[in-house]
Amino acid sequence: GENVEQHPSTLSVQEGDSAVIKCTYSDSASNYFPWYKQELGKGSQLIIDIRSNVGEKKDQRIAVTLNKTAKHFSLHITETQPEDSAVYFCAARDSWGKLQFGAGTQVVVTP
Amino acid sequence: SQTIHQWPATLVQPVGSPLSLECTVEGTSNPNLYWYRQAAGRGLQLLFYSVGIGQISSEVPQNLSASRPQDRQFILSSKKLLLSDSGFYLCAYSGQPNTEAFFGQGTRLTVV
Repeated sequence: GENVEQHPSTLSVQEGDSAVIKCTYSDSASNYFPWYKQELGKGSQLIIDIRSNVGEKKDQRIAVTLNKTAKHFSLHITETQPEDSAVYFCAARDSWGKLQFGAGTQVVVTP
Repeated sequence: SQTIHQWPATLVQPVGSPLSLECTVEGTSNPNLYWYRQAAGRGLQLLFYSVGIGQISSEVPQNLSASRPQDRQFILSSKKLLLSDSGFYLCAYSGQPNTEAFFGQGTRLTVV
């Protein structure tokens, strides 16, 4: 079955710097890769996603890249702000609908 | 609009007691349904997922079971809770074809 690994587990960045979180997956049949942001009291919200037929997707300060050959995908946050502090989860879903998550990355943006 | 309801929000149960957590979805048909558990400071562990009524896939051996008696209803159960069952349980769904997954607000289960 699918196994998703996520690194790093914690990430501390200065406000204005970039943050990068990397995930690898094991099932080559996975075709959808979402990223979720989890904040206390706000639940888990989708921030960006990418499908296997796309190599890169960008939405304002957030971008995701996918390397299908290497089976890894990354989240990039530029010009980080204090409100970017949260736990971020990557996930991979196969064609059967099974959605597996990484272990999460605690991002702390310091002023 | 599509919504997901999960209850209860918090639950304290004694060891050996039964469990039933319910999740219902509105506004979509034949969703994929998921149960996850999130231990403190850790990621989301997939427990069960379902692509249709009566179709349940179990991802990890455990003391829990899941059922989908109706298209938009997903139930997480246990006959006898263990201390190790404590955690934060999240229900989620995604529409058809495979799209974004939406999460319920979660249930904080404490087994004492």
